[in-house]
Amino acid sequence: DVKVTQSSRYLVKRTGEKVFLECVQDMDHENMFWYRQDPGLGLRLIYFSYDVKMKEKGDIPEGYSVSREKKERFSLILESASTNQTSMYLCASSSTTPGYTFGSGTRLTVV
Amino acid sequence: AQTVTQSQPEMSVQEAETVTLSCTYDTSESDYYLFWYKQPPSRQMILVIRQEAYKQQNATENRFSVNFQKAAKSFSLKISDSQLGDAAMYFCAYWGNAGNMLTFGGGTRLMVKP
Repeated sequence: DVKVTQSSRYLVKRTGEKVFLECVQDMDHENMFWYRQDPGLGLRLIYFSYDVKMKEKGDIPEGYSVSREKKERFSLILESASTNQTSMYLCASSSTTPGYTFGSGTRLTVV
Repeated sequence: AQTVTQSQPEMSVQEAETVTLSCTYDTSESDYYLFWYKQPPSRQMILVIRQEAYKQQNATENRFSVNFQKAAKSFSLKISDSQLGDAAMYFCAYWGNAGNMLTFGGGTRLMVKP
């Protein structure tokens, strides 16, 4: 069964910490995406990548960075976590076939 | 840029009855794909149904069917014989030709009453 795996289901971090959210897919997909999901705001695109070592800003990149050193792994980095980054984070991947495969999400709480 | 609008933030349906979730979109493209995704409380986003714009026939998957009106740019999801397990957030999404990426609507929360 094809998978997108997010390493943590729940995370609690302190303000100012550097936070890494990891996403791994086993489908050899070229494209990977990070979204955050907040009540009433839907899914908002943070960053995406169409290839290894390539990244593009989405709609809300401020306060985030990403890393894609290998095709299967796409990491989201919060350089200095803040309370307004408390949210649900969803990773997804796709190929040229329309549609996404999603991970199961990471609920991040910054205290 | 394409936009996707779900005008119903919340809907409720009685178990075993039928409910329709609305979705409209804006595009100048003629060839594209439309999707409905379901996100249950477990959070895993699951593909419900997919429609290719060049196909006039409405897609169907068991109790889930769509009403695709290309000229009106409307793509509604009908759930028949609603079950408690259908309770979830439902997202409508658009996939066009400019980049391998989905554009999502804001979501509709469906509640199913026993």
